[in-house]
Amino acid sequence: NAGVTQTPKFRVLKTGQSMTLLCAQDMNHEYMYWYRQDPGMGLRLIHYSVGEGTTAKGEVPDGYNVSRLKKQNFLLGLESAAPSQTSVYFCASSSALGLGQYFGPGTRLTVL
Amino acid sequence: AQSVSQHNHHVILSEAASLELGCNYSYGGTVNLFWYVQYPGQHLQLLLKYFSGDPLVKGIKGFEAEFIKSKFSFNLRKPSVQWSDTAEYFCAVIYSGNTGKLIFGQGTTLQVKP
Repeated sequence: NAGVTQTPKFRVLKTGQSMTLLCAQDMNHEYMYWYRQDPGMGLRLIHYSVGEGTTAKGEVPDGYNVSRLKKQNFLLGLESAAPSQTSVYFCASSSALGLGQYFGPGTRLTVL
Repeated sequence: AQSVSQHNHHVILSEAASLELGCNYSYGGTVNLFWYVQYPGQHLQLLLKYFSGDPLVKGIKGFEAEFIKSKFSFNLRKPSVQWSDTAEYFCAVIYSGNTGKLIFGQGTTLQVKP
């Protein structure tokens, strides 16, 4: 039981490049979330999903897209990376609304 | 707006000192409350949570938190900290009707000196 996993762990991009971050969970959770963590700002929700095939915007969705084609996977895409997207990205999942979330190990992204 | 505020941004303590980290939330409705810890280089782990019932909640590693509804607060405490408690601590809230979204405070960095 791996819990929540994220790939890659680190990535460096040039401005304008695109990439996809993959989140996978093996706990059969319905709800999945993508956050970004920046110094002094805590974690901010980018997008989330309440079930397979559904996605919704969070607090800071601009510049990101997501897809939840399979229940266990939640992909975060950056179509044209910008330096402001340099951050640590965390994926999380939960079994039901209102319960605590399980977090992945994070992806450290640097955009030059 | 729904928000969470942690008053202490950086706390430095000596081992065996007592710890209290403040957390206040902005909304007066039904909430679920959490404290997460992030050790250096690691992901967030759940320390404790409050949904209902006894407002004094005990979590892992000797931490506890008290929910005071009248003050919209959920402060984290530990009677005697250890060097291994050095980490960043996040308070988070799920507001009812908010699709399970966690709203995080800014975080408090705790440094425990041996």
